Amino acid sequence: EVQMVESGGGLAQPGGSQRLSCVGSGFRFNDYSLTWVRQAPGRRPEWLSSISGGGTVIFYADSVRGRFTISRENSKNTMYLQLNSLRVEDTAVYYCAKCRGGCSGGPQLGVEVWGQGTTVTVSS
Amino acid sequence: DIQMTQSPSSLSASVGDAVTITCRASQGVSNCLAWFQQKPGKAPKSLIYAASILQSGVPSRFSGSVSGTDFTLTISSLQPEDFATYYCQQYYSYPFTFGPGTIVDIK
Repeated sequence: EVQMVESGGGLAQPGGSQRLSCVGSGFRFNDYSLTWVRQAPGRRPEWLSSISGGGTVIFYADSVRGRFTISRENSKNTMYLQLNSLRVEDTAVYYCAKCRGGCSGGPQLGVEVWGQGTTVTVSS
Repeated sequence: DIQMTQSPSSLSASVGDAVTITCRASQGVSNCLAWFQQKPGKAPKSLIYAASILQSGVPSRFSGSVSGTDFTLTISSLQPEDFATYYCQQYYSYPFTFGPGTIVDIK
């Protein structure tokens, strides 16, 4: 069974940092692109970033580019999201997700399996 | 960025009813359209991808279709476990964007 499990959420101060982790299991980890999506309370999901299987192709949303960094360590079946310069408006549940191969580039792709989410609260 | 709209924003229905939700993209997305179901406090769950392909394990009462830039999610006979919020999402180009959601609740 394919599973994605996030960790690392919690309370952070404005301007602070946090690192989220996402461990994947049940599939050949380095063959698949992965993505981070967040959802603020009462809002629609917001795509944040995607990374290719080898970690060489990366995309970011404008809202987080320059503040958040996506990476992956395939030997540990783990993806990361480093959150820097946090703002109150970054408060949300952060989900990692596995794509069907790539995340974009054709109809047969896109997000397939979501993790359960980890909550980041930014407050003084 | 590609903007996604959904209608209706909410609907009330009874068990056994047929339900249709529409999603429109502001430009062509070449069938790179997914539907997700989300229940309160839970992660989204993949239902349909490529506009009309059912994710493995999803009941056949769910179906998707497309006409131009208009996409439709249909639930043929609503079941108690289907009361949830439904989102469409385009993955044709970055940034991926989601629709505002449609809340399906019990009449």
